[in-house]
Amino acid sequence: GENVEQHPSTLSVQEGDSAVIKCTYSDSASNYFPWYKQELGKRPQLIIDIRSNVGEKKDQRIAVTLNKTAKHFSLHITETQPEDSAVYFCAASIRSGGNEKLTFGTGTRLTIIP
Amino acid sequence: KAGVTQTPRYLIKTRGQQVTLSCSPISGHRSVSWYQQTPGQGLQFLFEYFSETQRNKGNFPGRFSGRQFSNSRSEMNVSTLELGDSALYLCASTGLAGGSNEQFFGPGTRLTVL
Repeated sequence: GENVEQHPSTLSVQEGDSAVIKCTYSDSASNYFPWYKQELGKRPQLIIDIRSNVGEKKDQRIAVTLNKTAKHFSLHITETQPEDSAVYFCAASIRSGGNEKLTFGTGTRLTIIP
Repeated sequence: KAGVTQTPRYLIKTRGQQVTLSCSPISGHRSVSWYQQTPGQGLQFLFEYFSETQRNKGNFPGRFSGRQFSNSRSEMNVSTLELGDSALYLCASTGLAGGSNEQFFGPGTRLTVL
């Protein structure tokens, strides 16, 4: 089955700096890669996603890049703010006939230092 | 639309007991997935239901089971509870409309096994 590895497990950056979280996946058939943000005591929420036919996607301060050949994808957060502090999860899935099975990475705890 | 709801929010059981957790998806969503979240293992996929049928299953023992009703509400059951079953159990629903894979998570049920 699919295996998703995520690095680093913890990340501290100064407010205003950029943060990068990287994930690799094992199944070359995976075609959907979402990123979820989970604040302390809250449910995971989708912040951005990318499909395998796109190499990069950006939404304001957040961007995701995908390298299908190398089977890795990354989350980039620019101009970090204190409210960006949370646990971030990457995931991968194969969307086939509507089947949904997300395999998650183990998470990155991002701390923004004021 | 109302979000995904889960009941109960907190549960304390003892080893050997069984437990049933409930999840009500967003209205119109037919796919419901269940995840176990622990500090060390992150989010691990349990199973996914669509139209009352289990479509995908993760690598959990047979003590973990689930079902889905005709109104898309889903339940999961854990029998013969073990200490290691203590975790946050999250369900997520997907609309699968317009090509969207986005999974919307519920607030979770925190299960403590003593």
